[in-house]
Amino acid sequence: ETGVTQTPRHLVMGMTNKKSLKCEQHLGHNAMYWYKQSAKKPLELMFVYSLEERVENNSVPSRFSPECPNSSHLFLHLHTLQPEDSALYLCASSQGGGGAHGELFFGEGSRLTVL
Amino acid sequence: AQSVSQHNHHVILSEAASLELGCNYSYGGTVNLFWYVQYPGQHLQLLLKYFSGDPLVKGIKGFEAEFIKSKFSFNLRKPSVQWSDTAEYFCAVNRYNNNDMRFGAGTRLTVKP
Repeated sequence: ETGVTQTPRHLVMGMTNKKSLKCEQHLGHNAMYWYKQSAKKPLELMFVYSLEERVENNSVPSRFSPECPNSSHLFLHLHTLQPEDSALYLCASSQGGGGAHGELFFGEGSRLTVL
Repeated sequence: AQSVSQHNHHVILSEAASLELGCNYSYGGTVNLFWYVQYPGQHLQLLLKYFSGDPLVKGIKGFEAEFIKSKFSFNLRKPSVQWSDTAEYFCAVNRYNNNDMRFGAGTRLTVKP
C-alpha cells in the first residue's frame, strides 16, 4: 500500500477513444504529479499541481489534459492518442516544494497501450 | 538544460559484490537529491535522500550515497549486494523549494545468486 492509488492499472485504447486515468492520494499532501515512464528513458515530468493549481506543464501535447478537482484527486484525460503514447503513467504526491520535504510518493502506475 | 545522468544502463553483479551507481546532475544552486528503487512489478519507492548536512547519507537496506558538490554527483553505494537488490535504480534531483523533480534514465541492477 503506497498511499497513492491509480486506476485503471491497465488500459488498452484505440487512437480515436477518449479515456481517463485516475489518481487518489491518502497522505494529506498538497502537490500531485503525472510522470510518463517509457523503456530506457528518464521519467518525464508531465504536469504538477500544487494546492490544486497547475504549476508545471512540460510541453505536453494537448491530447493529454489534466484535471485536479481537489488536493486528493488527479485525473489525466486522454483523447486521440498515438501509439507512441503507450507507456506507464505514474502519479505521485508530495508535501510542499523542495525545501525539507519534496519526497515523492508514487502510485503503482497505469499501463497504457494505444493501438 | 537541467538534466540528470546515470552512467550505467545495466549492471550485473554476483551476490556479495560491492556496488556503486553513478549519478551526475547539471543544476546550479541548492538542490535536493534522491535515489528511488523500483523492484520488479512494484511501485517506485524512496531509497534515500539528501537535503543538507552530512554529505554521506544512509538509506534503507544498507544503501548509502555521497553528495560531492564540486562534482555535481550523488553516487549510490552498497558494500555487499544481495539477490533481493535486483531492481531498477533512479537518481532524482530537484531545486530547493521547487516542485520540478527530474529523474535519470535509471540503472537496472541484476544480482546473480
